[in-house]
Amino acid sequence: AQSVTQLGSHVSVSEGALVLLRCNYSSSVPPYLFWYVQYPNQGLQLLLKYTTGATLVKGINGFEAEFKKSETSFHLTKPSAHMSDAAEYFCAVSEAGSYQLTFGKGTKLSVIP
Amino acid sequence: DAEITQSPRHKITETGRQVTLACHQTWNHNNMFWYRQDLGHGLRLIHYSYGVQDTNKGEVSDGYSVSRSNTEDLPLTLESAASSQTSVYFCASSESRAGGTDTQYFGPGTRLTVL
Repeated sequence: AQSVTQLGSHVSVSEGALVLLRCNYSSSVPPYLFWYVQYPNQGLQLLLKYTTGATLVKGINGFEAEFKKSETSFHLTKPSAHMSDAAEYFCAVSEAGSYQLTFGKGTKLSVIP
Repeated sequence: DAEITQSPRHKITETGRQVTLACHQTWNHNNMFWYRQDLGHGLRLIHYSYGVQDTNKGEVSDGYSVSRSNTEDLPLTLESAASSQTSVYFCASSESRAGGTDTQYFGPGTRLTVL
């Protein structure tokens, strides 16, 4: 069975600092990997996804993530945090051939002025 | 623009009552999903459907049911609401693509309180 671990339920960064949100997964077959963002009182929206091909994936709002098979990781980064990045971020995994997603427990990002 | 809507956005009910949460999508997606979101648990899958007349149980399906009579709608029913079902419920939909998972698009959520 696949699973997702997000290290740190709450991460705080200063405005302008690097954002690094960690995600590790387990899957018996090559995975599809996703990062979603949830702003307060809203649904989830896709930030970026990895299916096949280039392992460095660029998403919206300046975020990117790198699929590292040897480390079973898909960490999310952004070079410079903005106040508007404050939200909860979810990593999710799906196995190729499946339509279901398994989500991590989420990491709440706070940005300090 | 295509969208996915949920109603009501907020609901307060009493223990033992039947409650139905609506989900409607105009993406024309075959796949639809219901999740619940609880602090410390992330999103957990309740039920899902891959097309009309198709329904499947997810990780936390006890006490919930769904039916799919058309492409656009997947209502979620709590047969006899319990306090443990107080949560935020999200509906999502995705296309059926060869090879599997496509992006899931989420509704705005329904906050349900069971007293």
